[in-house]
Amino acid sequence: GESVGLHLPTLSVQEGDNSIINCAYSNSASDYFIWYKQESGKGPQFIIDIRSNMDKRQGQRVTVLLNKTVKHLSLQIAATQPGDSAVYFCAENMATGRRALTFGSGTRLQVQP
Amino acid sequence: EAGVAQSPRYKIIEKRQSVAFWCNPISGHATLYWYQQILGQGPKLLIQFQNNGVVDDSQLPKDRFSAERLKGVDSTLKIQPAKLEDSAVYLCASSPGGAGELFFGEGSRLTVL
Repeated sequence: GESVGLHLPTLSVQEGDNSIINCAYSNSASDYFIWYKQESGKGPQFIIDIRSNMDKRQGQRVTVLLNKTVKHLSLQIAATQPGDSAVYFCAENMATGRRALTFGSGTRLQVQP
Repeated sequence: EAGVAQSPRYKIIEKRQSVAFWCNPISGHATLYWYQQILGQGPKLLIQFQNNGVVDDSQLPKDRFSAERLKGVDSTLKIQPAKLEDSAVYLCASSPGGAGELFFGEGSRLTVL
């Protein structure tokens, strides 16, 4: 079946650098996307979301980019900090539906001091 | 505002035994979800409730898993009999309803020996 996937399982960056985490999705009907952060031993925590009528959305130190043409979204974290070390998941859904979020397999971000 | 509460946090059982997990969603949230997260993977939906009715249980292994949300608030997920492959974190999430952000609990980690 269709699913959300990620390109890289582990990303290692230096503290202060910018991080980019990528995600490919295959369900063309999806029009709502969320990035979650999951620290060890904790549940996923909402970071930022974006609807398909937007290409870009910014939050505090984070930016999500959506390219519907190639079914790709990315999460950019500016000035990465040690506290950003976690596993990041993208998830997708349909904004008008009742279907639950479908999650990708995740990318582990390791921030080196 | 209190978050999603789950218990127990950890459970170790032997295969063929039974186990039950409890979830109390955020007050007023109509939709409740149970996800299974195997180590190194993204959460996978087991069952979705809208109030006390089941919206989606297509991925719930019904020969051994059961879930209920009798009064449209708390929910219980049961596994009987457990198998080794059931070792995972069981995440409960809730949302006001429809598409949008899911709020997750800390999860219940199950180890089946």
